[in-house]
Amino acid sequence: KAGVTQTPRYLIKTRGQQVTLSCSPISGHRSVSWYQQTPGQGLQFLFEYFSETQRNKGNFPGRFSGRQFSNSRSEMNVSTLELGDSALYLCASSSYTSGHTDTQYFGPGTRLTVL
Amino acid sequence: AQKITQTQPGMFVQEKEAVTLDCTYDTSDQSYGLFWYKQPSSGEMIFLIYQGSYDEQNATEGRYSLNFQKARKSANLVISASQLGDSAMYFCAMRENSGYSTLTFGKGTMLLVSP
Repeated sequence: KAGVTQTPRYLIKTRGQQVTLSCSPISGHRSVSWYQQTPGQGLQFLFEYFSETQRNKGNFPGRFSGRQFSNSRSEMNVSTLELGDSALYLCASSSYTSGHTDTQYFGPGTRLTVL
Repeated sequence: AQKITQTQPGMFVQEKEAVTLDCTYDTSDQSYGLFWYKQPSSGEMIFLIYQGSYDEQNATEGRYSLNFQKARKSANLVISASQLGDSAMYFCAMRENSGYSTLTFGKGTMLLVSP
């Protein structure tokens, strides 16, 4: 089975621009989660989608948004980029059977640099 | 309050020796899951091992085992017979039953394996 794929792998943007990141989950996985990783804040949860619905959202400003398509692929968008948005953005997918046993599998990440 | 605490920023171990990476957690849920991930310098998070809160046996996966002490709320990762390829960041994470698929991560421990 192919793993989680994320595109692009690297991005360089300037302040004020917007960016869209894409994530394709493992085949059959319906839950997609996004995390931001920075040296200062560590790994922080952004949001989670399941069957095209946002089920959970982390503590991020409204500039961060996402969506999920009927084939479970997901995109996240960051508008009006700030320097502090420079980070590794990780996508994870899971089959979400039920309860806490569900394991998330991560993609390689998109490294975003904001200049 | 931090939900996942990893008190060792860095650990050094010689090849072929065993090493224990510490993790303590805090939750009021009775049902939860604990995970360990490895992150090499490439950035991808690799799932290593899972322990459920109701599992009576410690989880094992090859050279990885999880020393689960529920009363002390600790879930330490033990790597036996360390290899040079084990050099990476290691993250402990928790999924609470009330949190859908969301993982809460610790700050991580950098493990360096020397020849």
